[in-house]
Amino acid sequence: GENVEQHPSTLSVQEGDSAVIKCTYSDSASNYFPWYKQELGKRPQLIIDIRSNVGEKKDQRIAVTLNKTAKHFSLHITETQPEDSAVYFCAASIPMFSGGYNKLIFGAGTRLAVHP
Amino acid sequence: DTGVSQNPRHKITKRGQNVTFRCDPISEHNRLYWYRQTLGQGPEFLTYFQNEAQLEKSRLLSDRFSAERPKGSFSTLEIQRTEQGDSAMYLCASSSGLAGANTQYFGPGTRLTVL
Repeated sequence: GENVEQHPSTLSVQEGDSAVIKCTYSDSASNYFPWYKQELGKRPQLIIDIRSNVGEKKDQRIAVTLNKTAKHFSLHITETQPEDSAVYFCAASIPMFSGGYNKLIFGAGTRLAVHP
Repeated sequence: DTGVSQNPRHKITKRGQNVTFRCDPISEHNRLYWYRQTLGQGPEFLTYFQNEAQLEKSRLLSDRFSAERPKGSFSTLEIQRTEQGDSAMYLCASSSGLAGANTQYFGPGTRLTVL
């Protein structure tokens, strides 16, 4: 079935520490894996994404790794800052009828708190 | 603002009433998605439009829900005979139809409260 599991559900770190959030997906046809950050009362904002033809992607303090064999992907935030505090969602694409386009299946989210 | 917009931002209604929400996607995007998000959960896919055609509907979308995108631009989501379980944030997202362009951009959502 279509399922994305995300762990942990909450994560508390000290400013400057690293944070890692892990997700697993079930559909082997998934080929696109975005990460969204959602602050309280605001829209989900894309922070990084990765496609299945690469194993790692980095953008400044944020990196994502993908293991297609194990169906795992992870978000790594280094040198965390208080403004990183938010809920983070992973997602995996699921091809829809006749292909060519995808819907996203989201994890349940990780509430990250970065303490000064 | 050239991002996805949604109206209204908040809607409070009584059980049994009908409600309609509007989504205006990014202007050049031909793909439009509706999601529902409940507290403490990730967004759940409801339906997908490519231009004016509704190509996919989730099993979550009961027959009380209907969505349209009549001219391939804005979309509406209507819920008839609302129930308390319909209370949620309804999010709209859009993406480009360009090959390989999967990125979905979300609107601010409409928060529905059914009393």
